[in-house]
Amino acid sequence: QKEVEQDPGPLSVPEGAIVSLNCTYSNSAFQYFMWYRQYSRKGPELLMYTYSSGNKEDGRFTAQVDKSSKYISLFIRDSQPSDSATYLCAMSATRGGADGLTFGKGTHLIIQP
Amino acid sequence: DTAVSQTPKYLVTQMGNDKSIKCEQNLGHDTMYWYKQDSKKFLKIMFSYNNKELIINETVPNRFSPKSPDKAHLNLHINSLELGDSAVYFCASSQDRRQGRMAEAFFGQGTRLTVV
Repeated sequence: QKEVEQDPGPLSVPEGAIVSLNCTYSNSAFQYFMWYRQYSRKGPELLMYTYSSGNKEDGRFTAQVDKSSKYISLFIRDSQPSDSATYLCAMSATRGGADGLTFGKGTHLIIQP
Repeated sequence: DTAVSQTPKYLVTQMGNDKSIKCEQNLGHDTMYWYKQDSKKFLKIMFSYNNKELIINETVPNRFSPKSPDKAHLNLHINSLELGDSAVYFCASSQDRRQGRMAEAFFGQGTRLTVV
């Protein structure tokens, strides 16, 4: 079993829909949870960061972490065609990140105009 | 200004060759990384450097060697290239001393390596 599991998709939804992206993990040492967005042939860019359990909202994006279930989610409201990209969850046990990030495989999201 | 820049962007080379990928960051960060993204888009850490010291080295073949001439640069040298080395290699950097929050990793644009 991989440390971080993420459905690769593709996930195709109509413009304006609410999108739900999820990851599960097995390492209980993970405390820092991130969502990165990666456009085709580009490097990943950080979207959201959450420490431990709880919710965090930033504009149309909401990140949720449930450490008891080892489950994290990213919700996108009022989805736009420009949101079409691969979304990668990432986790770390340390704040400094010096041990690097453990990524999921990424979910390819397509927003249909 | 590009925060993390890698060169070259594309690299096509024959099996058995030795090649290098360069990375530079102008963010003043003290930790730099190399990640490998395979054909299935799985992104996995290879190395990280903090203050010119290797911190981790995942199960990467010793044909791969990171070289850091200074805090702003982390180059990746690959010897005796194999077909399985074909992937996209990403350089990243972060500031390890930030208090109270996770150090955000900034990624370069990637180097697409194809071994033929």
